Amino acid sequence: KAGVTQTPRYLIKTRGQQVTLSCSPISGHRSVSWYQQTPGQGLQFLFEYFSETQRNKGNFPGRFSGRQFSNSRSEMNVSTLELGDSALYLCASSLDAGSSYEQYFGPGTRLTVT
Amino acid sequence: AQSVTQLGSHVSVSEGALVLLRCNYSSSVPPYLFWYVQYPNQGLQLLLKYTSAATLVKGINGFEAEFKKSETSFHLTKPSAHMSDAAEYFCAVSVGGSQGNLIFGKGTKLSVKP
Repeated sequence: KAGVTQTPRYLIKTRGQQVTLSCSPISGHRSVSWYQQTPGQGLQFLFEYFSETQRNKGNFPGRFSGRQFSNSRSEMNVSTLELGDSALYLCASSLDAGSSYEQYFGPGTRLTVT
Repeated sequence: AQSVTQLGSHVSVSEGALVLLRCNYSSSVPPYLFWYVQYPNQGLQLLLKYTSAATLVKGINGFEAEFKKSETSFHLTKPSAHMSDAAEYFCAVSVGGSQGNLIFGKGTKLSVKP
């Protein structure tokens, strides 16, 4: 079974631009979560989607948004990019929503904002 | 609120020596606990998961972790370190209930000396 895939793997953007990252979960998985990883803040939860609905959101500004499609694929968007948005963005999928389900992570998208 | 503390941001062991990575958690509900490993430029790989079925959890690559409620700990061990174990290890606790997002510790970077 194929793992979680994320595209693109690397991205360089300029301050003020916007960016869209894509995540395809493991086949059959219905829940997708997004995390931001930086050297300073570590791994921080962005949001969680299940059945096209955002179930949970972390403490990030409104510039960060996401959505999930009917096939469970998910995208996240960051508008008006800031230098501090440079990070590894990780997507994780799980079979269902809820704390008992383990999450499987993709390789991440490395975003650099210049 | 849930939180995770990993003692030691960097641990160095010799090949063949015992690996012990420490994790303490705080949770207002019975926790689901996880250990993940991250190799350079990759996503997170699930090593093992505690879900209250058994206090000693065996994972992949010879790792295991023991849940100790009285100490609120979930330390990760491996009897004999291998060079390929060099990576960063993250302990995580699930928020609980229907919310699947994970709260991660800051990570412990494991170095293995020949």
